[in-house]
Amino acid sequence: KAGVTQTPRYLIKTRGQQVTLSCSPISGHRSVSWYQQTPGQGLQFLFEYFSETQRNKGNFPGRFSGRQFSNSRSEMNVSTLELGDSALYLCASSLVPPGSLQETQYFGPGTRLLVL
Amino acid sequence: GENVEQHPSTLSVQEGDSAVIKCTYSDSASNYFPWYKQELGKGPQLIIDIRSNVGEKKDQRIAVTLNKTAKHFSLHITETQPEDSAVYFCAATGIAYDKVIFGPGTSLSVIP
Repeated sequence: KAGVTQTPRYLIKTRGQQVTLSCSPISGHRSVSWYQQTPGQGLQFLFEYFSETQRNKGNFPGRFSGRQFSNSRSEMNVSTLELGDSALYLCASSLVPPGSLQETQYFGPGTRLLVL
Repeated sequence: GENVEQHPSTLSVQEGDSAVIKCTYSDSASNYFPWYKQELGKGPQLIIDIRSNVGEKKDQRIAVTLNKTAKHFSLHITETQPEDSAVYFCAATGIAYDKVIFGPGTSLSVIP
């Protein structure tokens, strides 16, 4: 079974631009969570989607948004990029939402975003 | 709010020695505790997990212990090898809060 895939793997943008990242979960998984990882802040939770609905959201500004499609694939968008948005963006999928039924999350390789 | 503490933040051991990473969680309703290993340039990979109805779980050189009373859980790696060098994250989750809470990570270096 294929793992979680994320595209693109690397991205360079300039301040003020917007970016869209994509995540394809493991086949059959309906929950997708997004995390931002920076050296100083560790893994920071962005949001979680299940059955096309955002169920939970972390403490990030409204510039960060996401959506999930009927095939469970998910995208996240960051508008008006800032230098501080440079990070590794990780997507994780699970059968059902984290917290319910002690379900395991599996991570993708991440998209490394550099904002200049 | 929910919180997971992890110690130490960095750990250096000689090849063949054991390594122990300890985590503490705040919410007594937590019932699932996964451990992830992240190698440079890769996403975190699940290496072992434990559920709240179990006190210990082993998988070859890796073991995890859980003390629900003290709200502690630990990762034990025996006979460490250079390929064990990575960042390790502990995490906790439970039905009360619908997301996974991660510890800040431990950077493990195994010296040949």
